Amino acid sequence: KQEVTQIPAALSVPEGENLVLNCSFTDSAIYNLQWFRQDPGKGLTSLLLIQSSQREQTSGRLNASLDKSSGRSTLYIAASQPGDSATYLCAVSGSGYSTLTFGKGTMLLVSP
Amino acid sequence: NAGVTQTPKFQVLKTGQSMTLQCAQDMNHEYMSWYRQDPGMGLRLIHYSVGAGITDQGEVPNGYNVSRSTTEDFPLRLLSAAPSQTSVYFCASRLGLATDTQYFGPGTRLTVL
Repeated sequence: KQEVTQIPAALSVPEGENLVLNCSFTDSAIYNLQWFRQDPGKGLTSLLLIQSSQREQTSGRLNASLDKSSGRSTLYIAASQPGDSATYLCAVSGSGYSTLTFGKGTMLLVSP
Repeated sequence: NAGVTQTPKFQVLKTGQSMTLQCAQDMNHEYMSWYRQDPGMGLRLIHYSVGAGITDQGEVPNGYNVSRSTTEDFPLRLLSAAPSQTSVYFCASRLGLATDTQYFGPGTRLTVL
């Protein structure tokens, strides 16, 4: 059974820092990995989707990398801002109509 | 597009009552799913559907029923609510394959007394 772990569970940083969130998965036979953002009391918003043939994806200040063979992904946030404060979740899936398996998330707080 | 909509936003039930959580999407997505989110447990899949008339169980299906009579709607039914079903419920949809971006609704916070 696929298991997804996210470290750290919580992170507090001052504004302006560059930071890295980690995601690991036990079964490397994935077809894609997604990073989501969840604001308190809200649903999830997709940030980046990396397909298994890709090594990384970038969107603005966000960069996600994927190393399938080692079962790891990282989300890099450059020049963090208070508006980045949220919970970040990663999820992996297989091919076709596969379901997503989620990690428990990293709760990020960026202080002004 | 309204995206994925869920009603109600909040609900309080007594043990043994039944109710239906509504979910609708206007993006013509084939794939729809229901998750529950609990502290310390993360998001867990309840049921999913790959198209109208087709549903299947996820990780935690017991106590829940679903049906998919149209592409747009995917209601989740609690037949006899239990306190263990107190949770936040999210509906999600995507175009079809797992390589498609998944969109989530705003959630329904359910309390069972």
